Amino acid sequence: KNQVEQSPQSLIILEGKNCTLQCNYTVSPFSNLRWYKQDTGRGPVSLTIMTFSENTKSNGRYTATLDADTKQSSLHITASQLSDSASYICVVSDRGSTLGRLYFGRGTQLTVWP
Amino acid sequence: EADIYQTPRYLVIGTGKKITLECSQTMGHDKMYWYQQDPGMELHLIHYSYGVNSTEKGDLSSESTVSRIRTEHFPLTLESARPSHTSQYLCASSDAASRTGDKSSYNEQFFGPGTRLTVL
Repeated sequence: KNQVEQSPQSLIILEGKNCTLQCNYTVSPFSNLRWYKQDTGRGPVSLTIMTFSENTKSNGRYTATLDADTKQSSLHITASQLSDSASYICVVSDRGSTLGRLYFGRGTQLTVWP
Repeated sequence: EADIYQTPRYLVIGTGKKITLECSQTMGHDKMYWYQQDPGMELHLIHYSYGVNSTEKGDLSSESTVSRIRTEHFPLTLESARPSHTSQYLCASSDAASRTGDKSSYNEQFFGPGTRLTVL
């Protein structure tokens, strides 16, 4: 069964600190992995996307890593800001269909305190 | 920022009412999707469309229906709302996927802001 598991479920950090979010998946055949940021009451917005051959991708203070062998990914946030408070969702796409089906994790709820 | 819109953003309605959630995109995307999301839970695909006059049911069974008469418009309808339909509904769109060798296109989905539906 294709699944995406994220940890921790929730995280509280102080402004300016770094943090790392984890994602494990069992989706096969694998196409790509994305990290989305979802603010409360809003739709998800893409942060990074990585294919099988990529093992790291940065977008400003966000750096995602991918280990396709162990089927693990992480999202590292440096120098956190209050605006980073949101849910971070790991999404894996398979290449077994023309739809490009997406499998969603439940997200990590990050709260940044001043 | 993606050009995909949903209305209304919030809707509180009584049991038994018929409702239509609107979704429009101005990017000319062929594929459109409806997801349902409960608090703290993952998004579940309930409907999708490859293009005009194409609609399919997603992974999660839903009593809602959809239509795709125009490329840019993908409304979702509930004929008789019930409290169990209370949820957030997210619309998304993407370009048609293309494949070259072993590498798939990113097929990135752009999401609307969502409609928070509460059925009393």
